[in-house]
Amino acid sequence: GQSLEQPSEVTAVEGAIVQINCTYQTSGFYGLSWYQQHDGGAPTFLSYNALDGLEETGRFSSFLSRSDSYGYLLLQELQMKDSASYFCAAPGSGGYQKVTFGTGTKLQVIP
Amino acid sequence: DTGVSQDPRHKITKRGQNVTFRCDPISEHNRLYWYRQTLGQGPEFLTYFQNEAQLEKSRLLSDRFSAERPKGSFSTLEIQRTEQGDSAMYLCASSLIVGLAFGYEQYFGPGTRLTVT
Repeated sequence: GQSLEQPSEVTAVEGAIVQINCTYQTSGFYGLSWYQQHDGGAPTFLSYNALDGLEETGRFSSFLSRSDSYGYLLLQELQMKDSASYFCAAPGSGGYQKVTFGTGTKLQVIP
Repeated sequence: DTGVSQDPRHKITKRGQNVTFRCDPISEHNRLYWYRQTLGQGPEFLTYFQNEAQLEKSRLLSDRFSAERPKGSFSTLEIQRTEQGDSAMYLCASSLIVGLAFGYEQYFGPGTRLTVT
């Protein structure tokens, strides 16, 4: 089976940096995705880590450590529009891919 | 390309009625997923298709749920004899996947919000 745990809420100040963690337990593991979802909106893909290390995409970076079963999403230069829920997600094992989403972290950016 | 579309956006039905939702994926995408999401939770996998083949179905999905993707294009999700516990947002996503690689980048539709009274 799979489970991906995240902190439920994080609050950060506009312009600051925030890290959203994801710890996972999976029977098979092939990488970690991150999605953003604004209230009332659909999830939007942000990044994917297939290998250990840091992936950078503009203000967002994502990190993966397979040995620690851990990853994080780093948001820099926070803007008010970054207030949203963030989900990590992992594909399943084997040839048929069920994607499991994490519990989600609600980020509130304050002035 | 206009992205993934879903219809209807909202559905209110009485308990015991059947409902059907439609998803139109991005045209060149070969993989299509259905998820259910309740307030404060992440999307929960229901089923997915590779072209027209339904390759996996969640064990959480009762026999009241069925999905189809004829001709590998649009997909429908039907819920029979709806129950109040079926009230949720039903999300569809699509991706372009080579072979049986991992659908790590999925494009989601706006969802259909189902309310069962």
